[in-house]
Amino acid sequence: QQKVQQSPESLSVPEGGMASLNCTSSDRNFQYFWWYRQHSGEGPKALMSIFSDGDKKEGRFTAHLNKASLHVSLHIRDSQPSDSALYFCAASPTNAYKVIFGKGTHLHVLP
Amino acid sequence: GGIITQTPKFLIGQEGQKLTLKCQQNFNHDTMYWYRQDSGKGLRLIYYSITENDLQKGDLSEGYDASREKKSSFSLTVTSAQKNEMAVFLCASSIGSTLNYAEQFFGPGTRLTVL
Repeated sequence: QQKVQQSPESLSVPEGGMASLNCTSSDRNFQYFWWYRQHSGEGPKALMSIFSDGDKKEGRFTAHLNKASLHVSLHIRDSQPSDSALYFCAASPTNAYKVIFGKGTHLHVLP
Repeated sequence: GGIITQTPKFLIGQEGQKLTLKCQQNFNHDTMYWYRQDSGKGLRLIYYSITENDLQKGDLSEGYDASREKKSSFSLTVTSAQKNEMAVFLCASSIGSTLNYAEQFFGPGTRLTVL
């Protein structure tokens, strides 16, 4: 079973709209979460990390973590066409160098 | 800032061929990673190296070898390319050490096609 599951697989939002991406870990050892974004033809780039319960805001991006349910979400407000990309959730356990990536969510922002 | 360079950008091989992919980083990071990206399957870890001279298998190591020649470089070898195989191989590095949940920095990838 995939230890990090993302939903939806694909998401379309209008320009200026709100995009919400979800991620759930099935392993309680995975307590540290990252969001990465990959534009076509490039390698992934880190967007933001979240390690504590609650919200973390960076510009138009807000991540939310609920450690009890091992659920993390990413909300993008005022979505722009340049936000169109593949978004990965990544989870890391303590005391280990391995990072597990989800399968990704394709976000399409429609002009 | 730093950069990760992957060579070659595109790699076309024949079935059964041994193929080598190279990665260089100038971040002075301790830890380096090789991932395979297939459409719809996310990123899967092939090998990683915590420090120079270290080598650790990931979940997808069968069919691959890796070598950490020095701190700045990490190579991956496909030991026997499979016909019709198509994937992107991504190299990444992170500061490592006690920050095992540190940000990973990725290269642009090597796109492999096997005829």
